[in-house]
Amino acid sequence: NAGVTQTPKFQVLKTGQSMTLQCAQDMNHEYMSWYRQDPGMGLRLIHYSVGAGITDQGEVPNGYNVSRSTTEDFPLRLLSAAPSQTSVYFCASSYRPTSGSTDTQYFGPGTRLTVL
Amino acid sequence: AQSVTQPDIHITVSEGASLELRCNYSYGATPYLFWYVQSPGQGLQLLLKYFSGDTLVQGIKGFEAEFKRSQSSFNLRKPSVHWSDAAEYFCAVTSGTYKYIFGTGTRLKVLA
Repeated sequence: NAGVTQTPKFQVLKTGQSMTLQCAQDMNHEYMSWYRQDPGMGLRLIHYSVGAGITDQGEVPNGYNVSRSTTEDFPLRLLSAAPSQTSVYFCASSYRPTSGSTDTQYFGPGTRLTVL
Repeated sequence: AQSVTQPDIHITVSEGASLELRCNYSYGATPYLFWYVQSPGQGLQLLLKYFSGDTLVQGIKGFEAEFKRSQSSFNLRKPSVHWSDAAEYFCAVTSGTYKYIFGTGTRLKVLA
């Protein structure tokens, strides 16, 4: 299994440009999430999905869109990039074990985005 | 409000010394608690988790953590630190859903 994969690893955008960060998982996880990581702020939830066709907003959703057409893929779209969106973006996926244990999130390697 | 506090932004220890990283949480429901480690330029790797039962949890790489409900704490420990343990460590809490709350992280530096 490849686990959670993210592309690209690095990206530089100009203010106002749009782009899509790709995330895919091959573990058949129901839940997928996008986080951004900024120095001194830990990870903050942008959007999440509990299954194909179902998405919802997290803590910092403004300026980002998501969709979930398949179980495997959960792309994050920046509609009009702003310097404040310079960050490292992590995608994560999780399962809910039938044994009653809690879910564990598995993280991708991240995308480092710079907006000029 | 739900929150996770990691009071130490940076910690420096000598190789072979013991380590304790602090994590305090504020959570209304029964918490599920996690410690993740992030090496430079890498994603987050799960070290250990607690959801019920024995309050002392063993993880990978020789780490352990103890859940203390009375103190709302979930501190991470390692008896003897190795140079390869230098990384950033994150504590996280969830109520059993997919929505995690992360602390701001503690960056560990190991002196040779």
